[in-house]
Amino acid sequence: DIQMTQSPSSVSASVGDRVTITCRASQGISIWLAWYQQKPGKAPKLLISTASNLQSGVPSRFSGSGSGTDFTLTISSLQPEDFATYYCQQTNSFPLTFGGGTKLEIK
Amino acid sequence: EVHLLESGGGLVQPGGSLRLSCAASGFTFTNYVMNWVRQAPGKGLEWVSGTSGSGVDTYYADSVKGRFTISRDNSKNTLFLQMNSLRADDTAIYYCAKGRGSASSSHDSWGQGTLVTVSS
Repeated sequence: DIQMTQSPSSVSASVGDRVTITCRASQGISIWLAWYQQKPGKAPKLLISTASNLQSGVPSRFSGSGSGTDFTLTISSLQPEDFATYYCQQTNSFPLTFGGGTKLEIK
Repeated sequence: EVHLLESGGGLVQPGGSLRLSCAASGFTFTNYVMNWVRQAPGKGLEWVSGTSGSGVDTYYADSVKGRFTISRDNSKNTLFLQMNSLRADDTAIYYCAKGRGSASSSHDSWGQGTLVTVSS
C-alpha cells in the first residue's frame, strides 16, 4: 500500500498569511493526488484533484503542485474561512490512502 | 445537484453486524466509482472500500478486508456496506463518497455521514 505523509500536522497562522502544506508519497504516484478541506462537524470537501486541478467554486488563493512523490498545497492569503483541517489523498491505485491531516489554526 | 444520503448506522456490540446504505441522486450512478470513507472520533480520514460502476470490481483497505463487503444496486441508485465481525476500532462516522470517474479517483461529493458505534 502507498503511505502518505503530511507535514506539518498542525500550523498556526494569521489572516493574510501564505501557508504551504506538504504531502509525500511512499512511492511515485505521478499526479494522482487530491487535497480536501474539512471543517468541524462537516464532510470533507474536494479542493484540488490531479495535483493541481482546482475544483469549480474553490477560490484561486488555493493552489496545488508536485508530481511523483512530493506535493504541496498553498494558500496564498489566508481568509477566516480557511481555518480547517486539510488532507491529501493518493488516487493512483487502490487501496486509496489519506495523509494524516494538517490542522490550520488561527494565531 | 448530487445528493448522497447515508443510513443504517447505530450502536452494535463487538462481533456484531451492520449494513450501511447510501442513496444517491443527481447523477448517472452507474457511471461512477463509489466509495466508503470513515473517520474515527477525533481522528483523520480513512478510505475503507470502493466499487466500480458496474459493481464487479471491489476494493478494500487492509483493516476491513474479509470483514466488510461493498455492493451496489444500480437499479435503485444505492450503495451498501455490509460490516461483519465489528470491533471497537471500527467506531467512526462512515461517509459515502462519489468518485470523479470510472476508475480510482478523488471524491467530489460526500454524504453527511452515519455514525457507527461498536461497544458493549
